[in-house]
Amino acid sequence: SQQGEEDPQALSIQEGENATMNCSYKTSINNLQWYRQNSGRGLVHLILIRSNEREKHSGRLRVTLDTSKKSSSLLITASRAADTASYFCATARYSSASKIIFGSGTRLSIRP
Amino acid sequence: DVKVTQSSRYLVKRTGEKVFLECVQDMDHENMFWYRQDPGLGLRLIYFSYDVKMKEKGDIPEGYSVSREKKERFSLILESASTNQTSMYLCASVTSGSNEQFFGPGTRLTVL
Repeated sequence: SQQGEEDPQALSIQEGENATMNCSYKTSINNLQWYRQNSGRGLVHLILIRSNEREKHSGRLRVTLDTSKKSSSLLITASRAADTASYFCATARYSSASKIIFGSGTRLSIRP
Repeated sequence: DVKVTQSSRYLVKRTGEKVFLECVQDMDHENMFWYRQDPGLGLRLIYFSYDVKMKEKGDIPEGYSVSREKKERFSLILESASTNQTSMYLCASVTSGSNEQFFGPGTRLTVL
């Protein structure tokens, strides 16, 4: 079964608004990552947050992690048309390269 | 600039054919992965390799095999393609000590 489940499955917002996506997982983790996938392309790593961190920022991205609730959120501020993509969370149980488990993704559409 | 390349962006094969999907990375990464991506199911791990000539089964290895003769190249083999193997195939690599995966652009395989 999938470790990470994103919510919502699809999100459509106006350009300039903020977009929030959520991810829930089931077992303990070492870290959680967010990836972006443009249509028909490979995934691009956005940000990694470790289990001992609660919040992390990277440009217009803000990620939070609540290990007690086994959930994470990705906030994209001041959205742009180029942010239109699918966003996936991925969880890793160990710090070194190993299996990471992806959720099924949130499809984000930015309306001009 | 780091790069993971896949031999084909689109591929059409017939049922029963033997299919080779090639992945090459130029980052000297020890670990390489093959996923398939289907709508609503996210990414599912087929096989991964943590060193030359080493391989481990992922979550859905049935119907697939892999080969890692050189560090930079990881091949996915469909011994006898079937229509239920029609999918997007994604290759990724990661260095030891990290979880950040670098993805190729993907190969969309159609089996008729």
